[in-house]
Amino acid sequence: GESVGLHLPTLSVQEGDNSIINCAYSNSASDYFIWYKQESGKGPQFIIDIRSNMDKRQGQRVTVLLNKTVKHLSLQIAATQPGDSAVYFCAEFNQGGKLIFGQGTELSVKP
Amino acid sequence: DAGVIQSPRHEVTEMGQEVTLRCKPISGHNSLFWYRQTMMRGLELLIYFNNNVPIDDSGMPEDRFSAKMPNASFSTLKIQPSEPRDSAVYFCASSLSQKTEQYFGPGTRLTVT
Repeated sequence: GESVGLHLPTLSVQEGDNSIINCAYSNSASDYFIWYKQESGKGPQFIIDIRSNMDKRQGQRVTVLLNKTVKHLSLQIAATQPGDSAVYFCAEFNQGGKLIFGQGTELSVKP
Repeated sequence: DAGVIQSPRHEVTEMGQEVTLRCKPISGHNSLFWYRQTMMRGLELLIYFNNNVPIDDSGMPEDRFSAKMPNASFSTLKIQPSEPRDSAVYFCASSLSQKTEQYFGPGTRLTVT
């Protein structure tokens, strides 16, 4: 079946360090991926997306990398801040057009 | 823009009661989605609409769940009768079209005792 999964459920980093959150996906036909951030008590918030015709996309302090060969996605956060503490989800659109979410990684930023 | 609006934010009800969750999507968005989030199962898509028409309800757990979208600015998710295992956070999301980024509301935390 299709799945988007995160191997590390928790990640703890020091404030100011860079964070890397990884995600593996199973459907090689997927062509659009999104990263979401979810803070406690709130809905998922769109961070950045990437389509399969790209292997890298940059936003403000965030970079998403896509490796289609090994079906791997990563989110890099530069100079991590306490406000970045949240659960991060990768999501992929399956062939039916549904957005399938991974299990999430909890990022904890230590001051 | 106010974003996706959901009400109520919290709902506590007794088993067997009817529960209605409400959603107002972002103006101009043509697709609307209902999700359920639990610790055990994560974020699950229940149903989605394109241009007010239900497209895929295969994620709806059972017949106790129903959803409607009478117009472009309003949708409801109803559970009747509710059961304790329905306790979860229910999110509504909207997007310009089906395969574009989705914007989520703040969610409704449902507790069924």
